Amino acid sequence: EVQLVESGGGLVKPGGSLRLSCAASGFTFRNYTMNWVRQAPGKGLEWVSSISSSSTYTHFADSVKGRFTISRDNAKNSLYLQMNSLRAEDTAVYYCARAIAVASNSCFQHWGPGTLVTVSS
Amino acid sequence: VLTQSPGTLSLSPGERATLSCRASQTVSSSYLTWYQQQPGQAPRLLIYGASKRATGIPDRFSGSGSGTDFTLTISRLEPEDFAVYYCHHYGGPHIRPFGQGTKVEIK
Repeated sequence: EVQLVESGGGLVKPGGSLRLSCAASGFTFRNYTMNWVRQAPGKGLEWVSSISSSSTYTHFADSVKGRFTISRDNAKNSLYLQMNSLRAEDTAVYYCARAIAVASNSCFQHWGPGTLVTVSS
Repeated sequence: VLTQSPGTLSLSPGERATLSCRASQTVSSSYLTWYQQQPGQAPRLLIYGASKRATGIPDRFSGSGSGTDFTLTISRLEPEDFAVYYCHHYGGPHIRPFGQGTKVEIK
């Protein structure tokens, strides 16, 4: 069974930093593109970032470009999101999501339960 | 940009639900996806490629459409189907908009 479990969320002041982690199991992690998707309280979904299976390619939404970095450790079956220069508008539940197939990241087949990040003074 | 309508759909169990997703320009149906989200839970993949049901999704869910207009149909609403539904399009590595969502609520 595919499992994704996020951790690392919490309360942080504007301008601060936070690192999210996602522990994956139940599939061959190193073969799949992975993603972060977020949802502000009471709002819709927003794709944040993706990273290819071997970390060759990373992509970011314009809203986080230059502030967030994505990385992975295939030996540890883990995905990370380093968030710097945080703003109030980054407050959201952050989901780790797996691509639907090894060769396609067109949609997200598996999701973790999410971790809440609150940016507030 | 993806625009979903209606914002809220009030229906009774057993009724048919028709949800719309309209793109601001022609998109590939191969990359049009629908997700369901229950309160307090992560989204769940329902339909991908505009009309393909994901693993384990009941056949009362169906997707259709092409070009700029796409539809998610739930043939007979079950109690567990009352949720928020999002459409999503993959337009490239940096172009991945979601619609704003349609809430299907019990009438």
